[in-house]
Amino acid sequence: EVQLVETGGGLLQPGGSLRLSCAASGFTFRSYGMNWVRQAPGKGLEWVSYISSDTNTIRYADSVQGRFTISRDNAKNSLFLQMNSLRGEDTAVYFCVRSVGAIDCWGQGTLVTVSS
Amino acid sequence: DIVMTQSPDSLAVSLGERATINCRSSLSVLDNSNNKNHLAWYQQRPGQPPKLLIHWASTRESGVPDRFTGSGSGTDFTLIISSLQAEDAAVYYCQQYYSFPRTFGQGTEVAIK
Repeated sequence: EVQLVETGGGLLQPGGSLRLSCAASGFTFRSYGMNWVRQAPGKGLEWVSYISSDTNTIRYADSVQGRFTISRDNAKNSLFLQMNSLRGEDTAVYFCVRSVGAIDCWGQGTLVTVSS
Repeated sequence: DIVMTQSPDSLAVSLGERATINCRSSLSVLDNSNNKNHLAWYQQRPGQPPKLLIHWASTRESGVPDRFTGSGSGTDFTLIISSLQAEDAAVYYCQQYYSFPRTFGQGTEVAIK
C-alpha cells in the first residue's frame, strides 16, 4: 500500500523555522517527483514546492521562494521541507504528495501554526 | 502563472440528480506534442486529504465510479457527477499541471439538497 506520512508540524512564532519530513512507503520512491501542497484553515489548496526524482529540477511557489527549501533522501525514502522566516500566512496543513503529472497520492498532512 | 477559476463556488443537488462543475484556465493547458490536457480533478471530503478523480482532463483514476466524468480541452473543462450519491458531498478542485507553479481552482462545494 502506498503511504506518505508527514511529521514535524507544530506551533511557532513568526520568524521561526521548522523542518517537515515525509516518510514514503509502498512504492519506488526514487522514481517519482514529489511535492508539498498546503491548505490554510478553511481555505483551498496551494501548491508549495516540487522536486524531481533525481533532484535536478526544483520549483517553488512565489510565496515561499527564498524562505523554504525542499529536499529528499532517496536512500531513506524521505522528503523534507525546511521552512525559515515563517509568517502567519504560512499557517496551514502541509501535505506531502506524489505526482505523476497529476497528484496521485496524498499524505494525511501535518499542521503548522505560526502565531505569537 | 496560470489562473484556474471554477464555477460555481457551491451548489446543492438532490440525490440521484446531476452536478456540473466548470473550470477555466487563463492559458491553454493542452500539450500539442501529445494532444493531452494537463488538467486534473480532485475530491476532498471533510477532514480528509484530497483524492485524485480525473487526470488528463478525462481519464478516470482507477477505482473512481463511472458517474464521475471529466471533459473539455484547452481552457475550458467540466466535471459531471451524473447521479449524485450521499458520499459525493465534498469540495472539488481542478488543477493544472502544464506549467509551474502548479495551480488549483478555488474549489466548488457540492452539498446534498
